Amino acid sequence: AQSVAQPEDQVNVAEGNPLTVKCTYSVSGNPYLFWYVQYPNRGLQFLLKYITGDNLVKGSYGFEAEFNKSQTSFHLKKPSALVSDSALYFCAVRVASGGSYIPTFGRGTSLIVHP
Amino acid sequence: SAVISQKPSRDICQRGTSLTIQCQVDSQVTMMFWYRQQPGQSLTLIATANQGSEATYESGFVIDKFPISRPNLTFSTLTVSNMSPEDSSIYLCSVGPLGTDTDTQYFGPGTRLTVL
Repeated sequence: AQSVAQPEDQVNVAEGNPLTVKCTYSVSGNPYLFWYVQYPNRGLQFLLKYITGDNLVKGSYGFEAEFNKSQTSFHLKKPSALVSDSALYFCAVRVASGGSYIPTFGRGTSLIVHP
Repeated sequence: SAVISQKPSRDICQRGTSLTIQCQVDSQVTMMFWYRQQPGQSLTLIATANQGSEATYESGFVIDKFPISRPNLTFSTLTVSNMSPEDSSIYLCSVGPLGTDTDTQYFGPGTRLTVL
């Protein structure tokens, strides 16, 4: 079984400040982890993923995420938030091998960046 | 990555009617999926669209309500049948693997459906 928790429904941050969107996961085996972003009235856009290797993963639009195996977390971060980063962010997980190709998605976190 | 398009982008329908949503990819893909995103909710997988055979439905979804076609490796349709207001959602097509990227699902722009 696999599951994802995004403990915050909403994150508020001022423009220019660093942001963090939290994600923890549970999976039987090694995880593949993903972040997607959904802008208003849009589909999901892939941001970044962790498959193997360096625990710090860099993705689109200046976002990065750190895989922490001991804490089973994959928090999304950005050093300096922009108003245009305001969107809905989804974390997803699936088992690396031997399981379904289909990931399990978290419930999403709404990021609001204030000017 | 590939270009994934969906038609229509949005629609408003009357209860009891049906709507067919199209998903087109600009390259051949092994797997295509259909998701539903109800207002304020996460994504729920409806089914995997299998090329040349019947779709594989997730628990709680049935073929009579959500018939799916996949005639080739670049195209699929999802029909929402006998609609009720509870079917108001965003319906998302996703695909993968794409080329050398064997790990990631990519999504279309979605179809926003409102049922009155």
